Amino acid sequence: IAGITQAPTSQILAAGRRMTLRCTQDMRHNAMYWYRQDLGLGLRLIHYSNTAGTTGKGEVPDGYSVSRANTDDFPLTLASAVPSQTSVYFCASSGGQGADGYTFGSGTRLTVV
Amino acid sequence: GQNIDQPTEMTATEGAIVQINCTYQTSGFNGLFWYQQHAGEAPTFLSYNVLDGLEEKGRFSSFLSRSKGYSYLLLKELQMKDSASYLCAVMDSNYQLIWGAGTKLIIKP
Repeated sequence: IAGITQAPTSQILAAGRRMTLRCTQDMRHNAMYWYRQDLGLGLRLIHYSNTAGTTGKGEVPDGYSVSRANTDDFPLTLASAVPSQTSVYFCASSGGQGADGYTFGSGTRLTVV
Repeated sequence: GQNIDQPTEMTATEGAIVQINCTYQTSGFNGLFWYQQHAGEAPTFLSYNVLDGLEEKGRFSSFLSRSKGYSYLLLKELQMKDSASYLCAVMDSNYQLIWGAGTKLIIKP
């Protein structure tokens, strides 16, 4: 692994089902983030974690939950999927403050039907 | 509230120069970032400005004026592969990135 790995790449999910999107990084970054990206709306922060063991809510947290049991993994769970959660989901990480910026995973394209 | 504004779409000609503007209002400022995102792919880092002035990196340059809440990304000698969305983002006082909606750049031959 080099960077951030997301799985699955894409998924079609029936409404009401539970789904976990996986995110793993090997850069030992402290901070990790989950975004959703919808056409015309840009990247919106769902949840974040500044360090292992802590999480926080972003701009659009409803219907999603996260955990950060260790530095490398930051899964995102949809407890009961709804069609409005159809989106592209990006996981990102940051090693520090400022010039490092964020490194993004390749994304998960989720369709809820 | 926090706000990042950039044009929705721009069109330019191969070989020409294009400037993509970004204005921002955020709670605190710890730097401004530009990212490039090709269709169906993840955003990739282009540039970072924390002090006023111009940062040049090859064909790409980024400018910042903190007093005006303004930045631009300048792309020179445009190539077809530069067709992409360009995202402006500001790091706020909590060191989180606030994102603009992105500017879709279309390059014509």
